[in-house]
Amino acid sequence: GAGVSQSPSNKVTEKGKDVELRCDPISGHTALYWYRQRLGQGLEFLIYFQGNSAPDKSGLPSDRFSAERTGESVSTLTIQRTQQEDSAVYLCASSKGGTKETQYFGPGTRLLVL
Amino acid sequence: QQQVKQSPQSLIVQKGGISIINCAYENTAFDYFPWYQQFPGKGPALLIAIRPDVSEKKEGRFTISFNKSAKQFSLHIMDSQPGDSATYFCAASSGAGSYQLTFGKGTKLSVIP
Repeated sequence: GAGVSQSPSNKVTEKGKDVELRCDPISGHTALYWYRQRLGQGLEFLIYFQGNSAPDKSGLPSDRFSAERTGESVSTLTIQRTQQEDSAVYLCASSKGGTKETQYFGPGTRLLVL
Repeated sequence: QQQVKQSPQSLIVQKGGISIINCAYENTAFDYFPWYQQFPGKGPALLIAIRPDVSEKKEGRFTISFNKSAKQFSLHIMDSQPGDSATYFCAASSGAGSYQLTFGKGTKLSVIP
């Protein structure tokens, strides 16, 4: 079946602009995660959605970052007033449930803020 | 504070050799330790995972060794092949927030013919 898809694959924006990144999880996966991967670094957890529960936003680095998910489908990660330090690969993952289920990652969106 | 320290940062191994990547953790509440493999332009993919009730887990050419007392775990790739060239990440999660993975910084492995 289809894996996790993300769009756009690449995004170049100017400092101060807002960007929206999209994630389509694997069908039937109730859990969805966003991670940030800076160059040469590991993945940083950003946010977690599980079904209709309140999301865990503990990893969001500032109030410029927000994310939404419609039911158990598409999620969007929004970065407002982008800064150069926001340049990174943003990865989305989904899993069947939350606890210790295998997370399946999408290919990521490469964001470059000029 | 980095909770999972991974080494080396990069590794070059001859084809047929053994690749060894090490990770150390600080949080004694961690109870799930997966390894992810990432090829350029792709997202990470789960390679193998271990829980602390066993000291070793083997899947094909890939083995995780786990030392609970030392708070260390390692990935061994036997008979390394050029197709194994990728970046490898160790990760850990704890029972309380077990969906939240804490990743190491990654090891770029190059297997040369």
